[in-house]
Formats: sequence, structure tokens, C-alpha cells
Amino acid sequence: DTAVSQTPKYLVTQMGNDKSIKCEQNLGHDTMYWYKQDSKKFLKIMFSYNNKELIINETVPNRFSPKSPDKAHLNLHINSLELGDSAVYFCASSQRSQLYGYTFGSGTRLTVV
Amino acid sequence: GQQLNQSPQSMFIQEGEDVSMNCTSSSIFNTWLWYKQDPGEGPVLLIALYKAGELTSNGRLTAQFGITRKDSFLNISASIPSDVGIYFCAGLNYGGSQGNLIFGKGTKLSVKP
Repeated sequence: DTAVSQTPKYLVTQMGNDKSIKCEQNLGHDTMYWYKQDSKKFLKIMFSYNNKELIINETVPNRFSPKSPDKAHLNLHINSLELGDSAVYFCASSQRSQLYGYTFGSGTRLTVV
Repeated sequence: GQQLNQSPQSMFIQEGEDVSMNCTSSSIFNTWLWYKQDPGEGPVLLIALYKAGELTSNGRLTAQFGITRKDSFLNISASIPSDVGIYFCAGLNYGGSQGNLIFGKGTKLSVKP
């Protein structure tokens, strides 16, 4: 039983395309996140959602848009993909009352060619 | 924004040796966490620290929350080959309605059998 699952695991696409990455958690957590890990392995938060509300939105391009149909899902949609978007994207979740409990998915490696 | 300085950047050690890595910040954190990332996987929580001065162990791992709340260290005793991976420190503060987990740049550990 995977706690935080992301699909796809790998995504190769051409510049200018639009793509989505899906994330689902079965932990009953009320907050979900998207992190970006660059080629130097630096992890940086992009978004978080709590009860369907965007509560953190770091300085990411507006080509990136998180969509949460319910509290168990947080999908990441990316428009007009650029070469610099190539990275590993991690979904995570936590329970607001237990802020330490960030559980991460296994990542989606996005390659833009 | 807040940044964590993690060192060393990488370590090459012999199996059986002890390992020490640390993290410092210019600002205070309420919680310090240590994660490990295996290749192709997401970060997995190893140890969480909640109080200044707290010393916590998890098997061969020991971590401490600095008295000033601006630093933390992680020790691994008697390293084994499966300790290979990237270790991240992370700091958590409560801001707005939700905390924001900030990561250090990681320490890549290699263990020679």
C-alpha cells in the first residue's frame, strides 16, 4: 500500500507541450505539497494545499498550476514546457497538526527535450 | 528566504567508520528533521527533533537539535553499505496557517565495503 503515489515515474516531452503529473495520498493527511529537485539535488518547495486552499506559493512561473480535486489528490499541471523545467518533482503530504510528518512520493523525473 | 548550510557536501568512507554531518541556519527553526534519499526514491524521514538541546537516536543514527535552534547534527555509527545515499537536513517553522519545510543541499554518502 503506497502512502504517496505519483504518476508517471518518468516523463519525456518536447518543449512547448503541456503535461500533468498526478499525486494521491492514502494517509488521510490534510495538506499536500509539490517539491522540485534540480540536477544538484536541491529540494525546493513549489506549492502546498490545505483543505483545497493554496496556502504557500513560492516564486514559480505561472505556467505551473496545482489542482486539487479533493484532499487526497494534488496534481501538477505545467503549460508550455521549457528545457529548464527538467527536474525531479516530488509530491508530499502531512497532517497539519503534526507538521513533522511529511511523507514523500517516489518522484517524477521530467525531461524536456 | 531562509537557507540551510549543510556540510560536508559529500563523504567517502570505509564500511565500519562513523559519520558526522551538520546543518546550520542564520535563523531559528522550531523543528529540525533529517531525511535520507535513496536513488530513484523520495526522501524518507529518519529523525525528527522538536526541542532545543534534544538528542535523539534511531538505531545507529543519532541527531541533536542545537541549543541556539540554528543548527543540528546527524551521526551514523558503524556505517554499512546500505547507508549509501543523500542525507538532507530540513528545518520547519510555523508561518501563516501552515509550516514550510526547508531543506539543506544534502550530504552524499558513499561507503566502501
